[in-house]
Amino acid sequence: QKEVEQNSGPLSVPEGAIASLNCTYSDRVSQSFFWYRQYSGKSPELIMSIYSNGDKEDGRFTAQLNKASQYVSLLIRDSQPSDSATYLCASDQAGTALIFGKGTTLSVSS
Amino acid sequence: DTGVSQDPRHKITKRGQNVTFRCDPISEHNRLYWYRQTLGQGPEFLTYFQNEAQLEKSRLLSDRFSAERPKGSFSTLEIQRTEQGDSAMYLCASRIGTGSTGELFFGEGSRLTVL
Repeated sequence: QKEVEQNSGPLSVPEGAIASLNCTYSDRVSQSFFWYRQYSGKSPELIMSIYSNGDKEDGRFTAQLNKASQYVSLLIRDSQPSDSATYLCASDQAGTALIFGKGTTLSVSS
Repeated sequence: DTGVSQDPRHKITKRGQNVTFRCDPISEHNRLYWYRQTLGQGPEFLTYFQNEAQLEKSRLLSDRFSAERPKGSFSTLEIQRTEQGDSAMYLCASRIGTGSTGELFFGEGSRLTVL
C-alpha cells in the first residue's frame, strides 16, 4: 500500500517567517511529487511539482526532494496570512494515481 | 469556463438510495481521476481512467461503487445502496499526457450527505 505521510499540524507561524512543511513517502518507485494548497471549502490547487533530487524554487516557495531518504519538503518564505491553508503532499509512481497525504494545516498570524 | 465541471454540487439522500455524480474534465485531458475527501483528511484515491479505460481502482473501494467513462470524455461515479459512511466530498480531477508529470486539475467537488 503506497503511503504519503505528513504532520497534520496545525503549524503556526508569524507573518514574515519561514514555514517548513514535511512529507515522507513509502514507495521507492515514486518518481514525481507535488504540493497542493487547499483553502477551506475549496478544491486543491497545485503550488509546486518536483521530479529530481535537490531544490526547486518558485517565488516564495521552495520544494526539496531527497529520494534516498524518501523525503519531500516545502518551504514558504515571507509567510503571509493568505498562505493560511492546508498543504497536501502527493506522489505519483508511474503516471497512474496520485496518492495524497492527509495534509498539514498552516496558520499565519498577522 | 473550461475547467473541470462536476454535477451536482450537493446531494442529500437517504440511506439505501443510489446516487450518481457526473464529471466533465478539461476537454483535451485524457486522464480522469475520482477521489473522496472527508473533513480533515487528504483526497483518497478511488479510481483512474486513461481515455475510456479504467486502469486502476482502489482496493479499498466497495463493490457498491462503480465508475464509467464510456467515450473517453465525461465520467460518472455511481454509489449503490448508500451508507452514512459514504458522506464525503467526491472530487474529480483530470490531467493530460501519460507520464508521471503534469498537473492534476480538480473540479469543485460533489458533496454527498447520507441521512
